[in-house]
Amino acid sequence: DADVTQTPRNRITKTGKRIMLECSQTKGHDRMYWYRQDPGLGLRLIYYSFDVKDINKGEISDGYSVSRQAQAKFSLSLESAIPNQTALYFCATSDPAGGHNEQFFGPGTRLTVL
Amino acid sequence: AQTVTQSQPEMSVQEAETVTLSCTYDTSESNYYLFWYKQPPSRQMILVIRQEAYKQQNATENRFSVNFQKAAKSFSLKISDSQLGDTAMYFCAFMSLYNQGGKLIFGQGTELSVKP
Repeated sequence: DADVTQTPRNRITKTGKRIMLECSQTKGHDRMYWYRQDPGLGLRLIYYSFDVKDINKGEISDGYSVSRQAQAKFSLSLESAIPNQTALYFCATSDPAGGHNEQFFGPGTRLTVL
Repeated sequence: AQTVTQSQPEMSVQEAETVTLSCTYDTSESNYYLFWYKQPPSRQMILVIRQEAYKQQNATENRFSVNFQKAAKSFSLKISDSQLGDTAMYFCAFMSLYNQGGKLIFGQGTELSVKP
């Protein structure tokens, strides 16, 4: 079974709709991240969380919100989706205590806003 | 703020040959991590190799190696004996070790095609 899962894998929605992307992990990591990937821009950080009570904005947080429901779950919401939020979204986890600072990524969610 | 630049949007290589992907970065810090991630058509992000800035020795993982030039702020990836399965988007990434939350800063990506 995958250690980091994301649902849905693909989603098409309309402008103005509220959308939630979900991320779950079984790795037991405290740190979780949300990135978006756009062609020619690489991946950019939206939000990150150190634990359920510690949530921080990344470089492109406008138009997004997050919820850390438990250590294992970190959800990303688009309150009112707009077409320029069409992108590939990744959740990632890490455990700095492990020593290598590697981030483990989910399979991604392809979101299209019409 | 740190930045990462990959100046080669696309590259191609013949199967069994060697290819080098370039990456430069900008930081004022002395200790950090650098990574190369691979994203095949399945879109899964896969760690290829990591380098700690305090280590002078270049990291190597099987057919993958890096040329880390700290003073020049350069971190290139060499793929030897290229295989068809190496076809993917490759991302260079930087991680600060100082109050940055362990977040990754990515370059724009290089799309590598391995041709038979």
